[in-house]
Amino acid sequence: DAGITQSPRHKVTETGTPVTLRCHQTENHRYMYWYRQDPGHGLRLIHYSYGVKDTDKGEVSDGYSVSRSKTEDFLLTLESATSSQTSVYFCAISESGGGDNEQFFGPGTRLTVL
Amino acid sequence: AQKITQTQPGMFVQEKEAVTLDCTYDTSDPSYGLFWYKQPSSGEMIFLIYQGSYDQQNATEGRYSLNFQKARKSANLVISASQLGDSAMYFCAMRVYGGATNKLIFGTGTLLAVQP
Repeated sequence: DAGITQSPRHKVTETGTPVTLRCHQTENHRYMYWYRQDPGHGLRLIHYSYGVKDTDKGEVSDGYSVSRSKTEDFLLTLESATSSQTSVYFCAISESGGGDNEQFFGPGTRLTVL
Repeated sequence: AQKITQTQPGMFVQEKEAVTLDCTYDTSDPSYGLFWYKQPSSGEMIFLIYQGSYDQQNATEGRYSLNFQKARKSANLVISASQLGDSAMYFCAMRVYGGATNKLIFGTGTLLAVQP
């Protein structure tokens, strides 16, 4: 199994509070991704990183920011959480940005915004 | 627009029978890849199988095979000899290029229930 951990695994917070989710990998993979999973939508890409300090937006990036100061860590921040951001968040990693390199997923973080 | 469509929200199959999960895709890019992931009730995403757009043969991985019909833009997953442990949500995904890396676009998933 790919060494990917996410923390916290569960979080309940209130509207308007900042929230940071952490993804940590031990595989030394260059590429890291944040997705959210919602019923009826599958997984949707929020942000991704292609190297330390190199990040870009995905399909649903509004309200989210990311940072990657080390190869192994990719942080997702909700500056001011809203109820629409209640979701399950998955981190993924891949060794390459192209070809048939599959993405390996972390265990997920269930976030509830009240 | 690049899109993945899974039209079966849920399916039932008897244990030991084969089942086909449908996936159609839309892209104008001549180079793409198609993936299937399994998500059991425990929540993790498990990679199952990959098919590249230029691959001549259908991909197979154990009991999983991908029925790739390029002209129809379909990439159906076939699970042979279903087991109770196959009960899960299954997602089809397509690799697309753009920006600094490839990205995955996911379908909405098919929930498979294997009955004894």
